[in-house]
Amino acid sequence: SQQGEEDPQALSIQEGENATMNCSYKTSINNLQWYRQNSGRGLVHLILIRSNEREKHSGRLRVTLDTSKKSSSLLITASRAADTASYFCATDPGSQGNLIFGKGTKLSVKP
Amino acid sequence: GAVVSQHPSRVICKSGTSVKIECRSLDFQATTMFWYRQFPKQSLMLMATSNEGSKATYEQGVEKDKFLINHASLTLSTLTVTSAHPEDSSFYICSARDPEKNTEAFFGQGTRLTVV
Repeated sequence: SQQGEEDPQALSIQEGENATMNCSYKTSINNLQWYRQNSGRGLVHLILIRSNEREKHSGRLRVTLDTSKKSSSLLITASRAADTASYFCATDPGSQGNLIFGKGTKLSVKP
Repeated sequence: GAVVSQHPSRVICKSGTSVKIECRSLDFQATTMFWYRQFPKQSLMLMATSNEGSKATYEQGVEKDKFLINHASLTLSTLTVTSAHPEDSSFYICSARDPEKNTEAFFGQGTRLTVV
């Protein structure tokens, strides 16, 4: 069953601004991953944060994880029009290897 | 380059026909692969877990006789949508993880199925 909830569902910003997306989950996890999906395309892995990590950076991406609140956030700094896509968090419960996806945030970056 | 390859990327078929979708792991052997389904503007929902050499495990509500899964080798899993109906039109995506690394999941490019 789908356990991730993300907010906002849609986010529209200007190029150069920062974009913050949040994700909440329900059960214990092995790790949490963020993916990007361009319209009608496959998923691209962005970043993985393990349950014992609190923050992780990758280029313009910053991910935080609060296991006590069962939440994570993805920050994209200095956004670009090319960042326009849907972003999904996915939790890895660590059992069989499948991922449980959040509902996603549709980000629109206007030039 | 792609680590998981999915084919075809798009397919249009007539109601009542069957469609086969292939998912290949290119850089590693995958004893387990996963098939997801995504309706427009929605998230990915796990349909089934494909297990090499044994029966697939289906999620609740997914008809195993309609969505046939075969995982005959360590690098190939196939999903066959049998007797397709318009309501089966969706985006199907497979994924696999490298069991030796146990890190992120790699996703295929997805297959847009349209049943007319």
